[in-house]
Amino acid sequence: QKEVEQNSGPLSVPEGAIASLNCTYSDRGSQSFFWYRQYSGKSPELIMSIYSNGDKEDGRFTAQLNKASQYVSLLIRDSQPSDSATYLCAVRRGGYQKVTFGTGTKLQVIP
Amino acid sequence: EADIYQTPRYLVIGTGKKITLECSQTMGHDKMYWYQQDPGMELHLIHYSYGVNSTEKGDLSSESTVSRIRTEHFPLTLESARPSHTSQYLCASSDSIAGGSYNEQFFGPGTRLTVL
Repeated sequence: QKEVEQNSGPLSVPEGAIASLNCTYSDRGSQSFFWYRQYSGKSPELIMSIYSNGDKEDGRFTAQLNKASQYVSLLIRDSQPSDSATYLCAVRRGGYQKVTFGTGTKLQVIP
Repeated sequence: EADIYQTPRYLVIGTGKKITLECSQTMGHDKMYWYQQDPGMELHLIHYSYGVNSTEKGDLSSESTVSRIRTEHFPLTLESARPSHTSQYLCASSDSIAGGSYNEQFFGPGTRLTVL
């Protein structure tokens, strides 16, 4: 079992819809969770961090963390074609400094 | 402005050459990382450093070496480049807050290396 798992996609949503991206992790002691956006040929860009159970909202983005079920999700409201990118989930395990990245989910927003 | 820099952005070089990829950050971060990523593929951690004179190998075996003589500088060196080294190399840095709860990593623009 991989430490961080994501569906590779592509996930296609129409413009204006809500895109839902999911990520599961294997280490129950994980403490920090991150979502990165990576455009093709570019470096990853941090868009959300979440550390405690529940929801965290930032503009059109909402991160959701459920430690009991070991999943973290990212919702993108009012999706725009400019949101088309690969979204990477990253997790820091308890007691470790390193962060493990998932393989990413490719999102396509259709105009 | 606090940022993380990588040079060169693109490098095409012949087999057997020695190369150094530069990474510098003005964010005041103590931790720095090197990742390797092929197009459309996942990130692989190849080296990391938690401070000056501290370097460790990452999860993916790499023939490259790194050094950390100054906090803001973390160069990566390939003594003899081969076509199998062709990839994108991404440098990142992060801070640590008391208690270790945070490790937000910020990435540089990357160096795209092609070895002929």
